[in-house]
Amino acid sequence: AQSVTQLGSHVSVSEGALVLLRCNYSSSVPPYLFWYVQYPNQGLQLLLKYTSAATLVKGINGFEAEFKKSETSFHLTKPSAHMSDAAEYFCAVSDEGGTSYGKLTFGQGTILTVHP
Amino acid sequence: DADVTQTPRNRITKTGKRIMLECSQTKGHDRMYWYRQDPGLGLRLIYYSFDVKDINKGEISDGYSVSRQAQAKFSLSLESAIPNQTALYFCATSDFRDEQYFGPGTRLTVT
Repeated sequence: AQSVTQLGSHVSVSEGALVLLRCNYSSSVPPYLFWYVQYPNQGLQLLLKYTSAATLVKGINGFEAEFKKSETSFHLTKPSAHMSDAAEYFCAVSDEGGTSYGKLTFGQGTILTVHP
Repeated sequence: DADVTQTPRNRITKTGKRIMLECSQTKGHDRMYWYRQDPGLGLRLIYYSFDVKDINKGEISDGYSVSRQAQAKFSLSLESAIPNQTALYFCATSDFRDEQYFGPGTRLTVT
């Protein structure tokens, strides 16, 4: 079974500072990896996805993530935080294969707070 | 119009009652999913369906059942609701191994 660990349930940054949200996964085969964002009282929205092409993936709202196979990591970054980035972020990995191919396993989420 | 809709958006019910949460999608996807979200636990898969005739249990299916009425409709039922089923419930759809599209969620409270 695959798993996802997000380091830090809460991250706080100042407006304009670097955002770094950490995600590590376990998988015995090349995974598909996703970052989703959830704004208050809303559903999840895809930020970006890695599907075995370029290891540096660019997403919406200035976010990007780098797939590092040797570290089994897929950390999310943004060079300069904006107040509107305050939300909860989820990392997810796709299922490896077989009849359950395509299911997602989610991390526990990281709440990002942005201070003025 | 939203691609994935869920009804109701909010529901308060009593212990022991039967309740159904409904999900409809206009994405044309074959795959549909039901998750529950609890603070600090992320999203956990309850049931999933890869086509109308295919229903599979997820990691936390006990106490829940589902019905796939059509490609576009996937309902989740709580046969006898209990307080620890109080949570935020999400429906999602996907096309094969691609990203999942989520509905706005149903906030369920069981008293």
